[in-house]
Amino acid sequence: DGGITQSPKYLFRKEGQNVTLSCEQNLNHDAMYWYRQDPGQGLRLIYYSQIVNDFQKGDIAEGYSVSREKKESFPLTVTSAQKNPTAFYLCASSTGTGANQPQHFGDGTRLSIL
Amino acid sequence: EDQVTQSPEALRLQEGESSSLNCSYTVSGLRGLFWYRQDPGKGPEFLFTLYSAGEEKEKERLKATLTKKESFLHITAPKPEDSATYLCAVRRGTGNQFYFGTGTSLTVIP
Repeated sequence: DGGITQSPKYLFRKEGQNVTLSCEQNLNHDAMYWYRQDPGQGLRLIYYSQIVNDFQKGDIAEGYSVSREKKESFPLTVTSAQKNPTAFYLCASSTGTGANQPQHFGDGTRLSIL
Repeated sequence: EDQVTQSPEALRLQEGESSSLNCSYTVSGLRGLFWYRQDPGKGPEFLFTLYSAGEEKEKERLKATLTKKESFLHITAPKPEDSATYLCAVRRGTGNQFYFGTGTSLTVIP
């Protein structure tokens, strides 16, 4: 079945450590996104990519980095510069064309600080 | 400034008690309004896309409608399995970005 796979489901970060969250899709979608979800807040866009080897900052990109070397993969690195990384991270993809095309989501990675 | 506001924040219904969730939006150049369902610990699941005022979509007990300023998600005779958080999102007119509301947490009591 086509879909979006995020791993790991749970992740723990130590002080000063960088961690990488994986996102893989087999939907043949051009666009991929990373969101952060905190209790009581809407999904906030971290980074998005509309095509391989290209990505743009979202509303809260500071302390995060991404790469898009393959169409299927869009990993997110939470760097030590992100001082409040505890959150639920969601990866999404869309066809990237057509105004009425929705995003499809993975089941998230919950990141906590040790 | 683009904004999406959902109300109420939380809603408790008795099984079979119909109600509506609201999503009001201000966005330059709406290119689509989307409803999602999110269960605890899971990613949002796509429900509906609405594109033009007057449009309606239905799926089982859910019906979504759209005006120029807001969208409603009507839930008819809800069941406990409809309990979830319902998210509304709009596609921004200037790019390929989506802007989400904070959601309505629905609890249906047997």
